Amino acid sequence: QQQVKQSPQSLIVQKGGIPIINCAYENTAFDYFPWYQQFPGKGPALLIAIRPDVSEKKEGRFTISFNKSAKQFSLHIMDSQPGDSATYFCAASDVQGAQKLVFGQGTRLTINP
Amino acid sequence: GAVVSQHPSRVICKSGTSVKIECRSLDFQATTMFWYRQFPKKSLMLMATSNEGSKATYEQGVEKDKFLINHASLTLSTLTVTSAHPEDSSFYICSAPDIAGEQFFGPGTRLTVL
Repeated sequence: QQQVKQSPQSLIVQKGGIPIINCAYENTAFDYFPWYQQFPGKGPALLIAIRPDVSEKKEGRFTISFNKSAKQFSLHIMDSQPGDSATYFCAASDVQGAQKLVFGQGTRLTINP
Repeated sequence: GAVVSQHPSRVICKSGTSVKIECRSLDFQATTMFWYRQFPKKSLMLMATSNEGSKATYEQGVEKDKFLINHASLTLSTLTVTSAHPEDSSFYICSAPDIAGEQFFGPGTRLTVL
């Protein structure tokens, strides 16, 4: 019940395309859903996060879509660029509780020029 | 966003020695910090929750005596890998939640045990 399942494992998209990464969770106590971007040898950087009271959040080229009834959320990257090539992790936590983040398995994204 | 630093960024040590890794929240206070371990091409694995002024809470399967955690102030948590062995070689990352509950990660520490 603590798992967050992320797909796909890897994704290759042409520059300008819109990669979509999906995550699903089971624990209905989760109330905070962040996405992190990680480059090799670096720590994860917070990209964007959403809470269950909204169905969509957009920050720059990054959009989270959230479906509370389906317990799913996804990341869309608009106008993708080669510099977006990185590993992306979704996560979930119970902010009011222990605040421990449960991570998805990660998606290695490659944007071809 | 908030900034979390780690020191050192990279350490190489001999088997049997102990290594200390520091995690600092630079522009905010954190009563709780988290320590993760990450293997190559894998996701982050939570090791323990560091609590300011009290004992750390370890995840199942993590050896408390092996990975000592001290959270001495509201901006500093330390992880000490005691009697390190080659299998402890990994990428160690800390995180801290800000007042809004958003978690920010340090840049990580690459530990190599020879």
